[in-house]
Amino acid sequence: DTAVSQTPKYLVTQMGNDKSIKCEQNLGHDTMYWYKQDSKKFLKIMFSYNNKELIINETVPNRFSPKSPDKAHLNLHINSLELGDSAVYFCASSLGVAGANVLTFGAGSRLTVL
Amino acid sequence: GQNIDQPTEMTATEGAIVQINCTYQTSGFNGLFWYQQHAGEAPTFLSYNVLDGLEEKGRFSSFLSRSKGYSYLLLKELQMKDSASYLCAATDSNYQLIWGAGTKLIIKP
Repeated sequence: DTAVSQTPKYLVTQMGNDKSIKCEQNLGHDTMYWYKQDSKKFLKIMFSYNNKELIINETVPNRFSPKSPDKAHLNLHINSLELGDSAVYFCASSLGVAGANVLTFGAGSRLTVL
Repeated sequence: GQNIDQPTEMTATEGAIVQINCTYQTSGFNGLFWYQQHAGEAPTFLSYNVLDGLEEKGRFSSFLSRSKGYSYLLLKELQMKDSASYLCAATDSNYQLIWGAGTKLIIKP
């Protein structure tokens, strides 16, 4: 019973392609996130949704588009992939947005752009 | 600007004690988190401090001083499985998490 599951775990693709990463949580959390972790291991927030509403949209190229069909799902679509998009993408969820807001992370999706 | 500073890497011996420091500068403050991340895995929650003082949880303790913008994570009786990166993250006035780059802890026998 994985709490936050994301697929695929590994993704190898060519520059210019379009790809999607899916994320689902079964914790009943209201808030979901996408993070990017680059080779220097720095976790950078990309997007956050609370009850399907976008609440955080950091400075991310508009080639990246999140979609939240319901509060248990947050997918990430990436158009026209570039070499610099190679990273590990983590989905996470939390009960809400305030207080002792513990994040539960998915296992990560390692994207390699050739 | 908002910033989190923590050492890049530390080495310690199995059975010993290690303290990982973190200093933060945020617009407002709503708590500080420590997460553990083993290589190739997801970060997992370790501790949360919002008031000054020490929070103890088994072999791990976390300390916070809000006036100094400072926290540390104390790991006792180190085990080989404690080899991991330890991420410090502070919550600002908008409840956004500001992450440090992580401290890679290497445990030697």
